[in-house]
Amino acid sequence: GEDVEQSLFLSVREGDSSVINCTYTDSSSTYLYWYKQEPGAGLQLLTYIFSNMDMKQDQRLTVLLNKKDKHLSLRIADTQTGDSAIYFCAESPPSGGSYIPTFGRGTSLIVHP
Amino acid sequence: DAGVTQSPTHLIKTRGQQVTLRCSPKSGHDTVSWYQQALGQGPQFIFQYYEEEERQRGNFPDRFSGHQFPNYSSELNVNALLLGDSALYLCASRRRGTSGNTEAFFGQGTRLTVV
Repeated sequence: GEDVEQSLFLSVREGDSSVINCTYTDSSSTYLYWYKQEPGAGLQLLTYIFSNMDMKQDQRLTVLLNKKDKHLSLRIADTQTGDSAIYFCAESPPSGGSYIPTFGRGTSLIVHP
Repeated sequence: DAGVTQSPTHLIKTRGQQVTLRCSPKSGHDTVSWYQQALGQGPQFIFQYYEEEERQRGNFPDRFSGHQFPNYSSELNVNALLLGDSALYLCASRRRGTSGNTEAFFGQGTRLTVV
């Protein structure tokens, strides 16, 4: 199976919360990331969490990490139409300082007005 | 600061041809990584350059090669193009010594279409 798995689509109404889930397999992962990709654009790092943390909050974004189950989630509060994009979960082990991330296939978030 | 810049933005090539993609890292960054993102997929790591040498390589054939110049800019070369090489090619830069990939910046990518 894939190293990082995500559901492919999520549709929400504007103003609701969005929760995007991800599972990973590498227990040695030290960093876990959420990236955003808008149409025709590169990747933008939204937020990240160290593997020794359970939760991280950054304005409308909340990241939850369940290290036992190797489950990562991203919650976007008060989702806006501008949040419509593809969201990638990624993990990187401490590979000699190069920190090459492994990405999931991405979750396409569609926000309806 | 222009961030990470890639050129060209779009490219169409024929099977069997060779292609060169270019990347200029963000100012102050010395490490450049290349990724291939096929349609509907996440980015796949191709290789990483630091101090003008390939430091790590993903699971890509040796048709994929690269170079890093003294000014830290980088090129990705793909020989004997296949239809399956059609993808968005992303370049990312960071400064060696920074923790994780938290300070890596991605370019907008080069969309390569092989016909």
